[in-house]
Amino acid sequence: ILNVEQSPQSLHVQEGDSTNFTCSFPSSNFYALHWYRWETAKSPEALFVMTLNGDEKKKGRISATLNTKEGYSYLYIKGSQPEDSATYLCAFTSGTYKYIFGTGTRLKVLA
Amino acid sequence: GAVVSQHPSRVICKSGTSVKIECRSLDFQATTMFWYRQFPKQSLMLMATSNEGSKATYEQGVEKDKFLINHASLTLSTLTVTSAHPEDSSFYICSAFSGGSTDTQYFGPGTRLTVL
Repeated sequence: ILNVEQSPQSLHVQEGDSTNFTCSFPSSNFYALHWYRWETAKSPEALFVMTLNGDEKKKGRISATLNTKEGYSYLYIKGSQPEDSATYLCAFTSGTYKYIFGTGTRLKVLA
Repeated sequence: GAVVSQHPSRVICKSGTSVKIECRSLDFQATTMFWYRQFPKQSLMLMATSNEGSKATYEQGVEKDKFLINHASLTLSTLTVTSAHPEDSSFYICSAFSGGSTDTQYFGPGTRLTVL
């Protein structure tokens, strides 16, 4: 059974703090790792698609890294803002259409 | 771009009734659409995959006769929960895949179903 785990489950940070969370996935049969940001009552928003070991991608204050050999990806947020408050989901795929999701990290940025 | 709508956002129904949920890709043609279900504090679980004009492929453990999926066009897929029971109460969310190089699924906002 393929398992994707995210940690922590939730966290609160102060505005301006930088933070990071982890997505762990199977290291075998890796094809891609997707990160989404999901705000309440909205659609999950695609942030990154990561495919190559050592990949690092950036979008504004958010960046992500990928280690396929050990099966983990980090998502970093620099200088957190209240609008960053959301659930961050990662999804692993082994080359089929099927996404295996983690349970998400719920981030709350306090003003 | 890549906007997916889902309707309704919330529905409450009586046990035994059927409920239809629509998923539309608004600005692209979706070769494949997916239906997920999420129980509290759990991850999104794939229920089925639908391709336009063909029968849906259901994941193991998902009842085909309970969850009817129709993908009549490249922009519309529907999920009908038939003879709903309280245990069908859940959050249902769809996604659409355009088949591009990024292989990214674009999600609707989801539907909260409550069966009384």
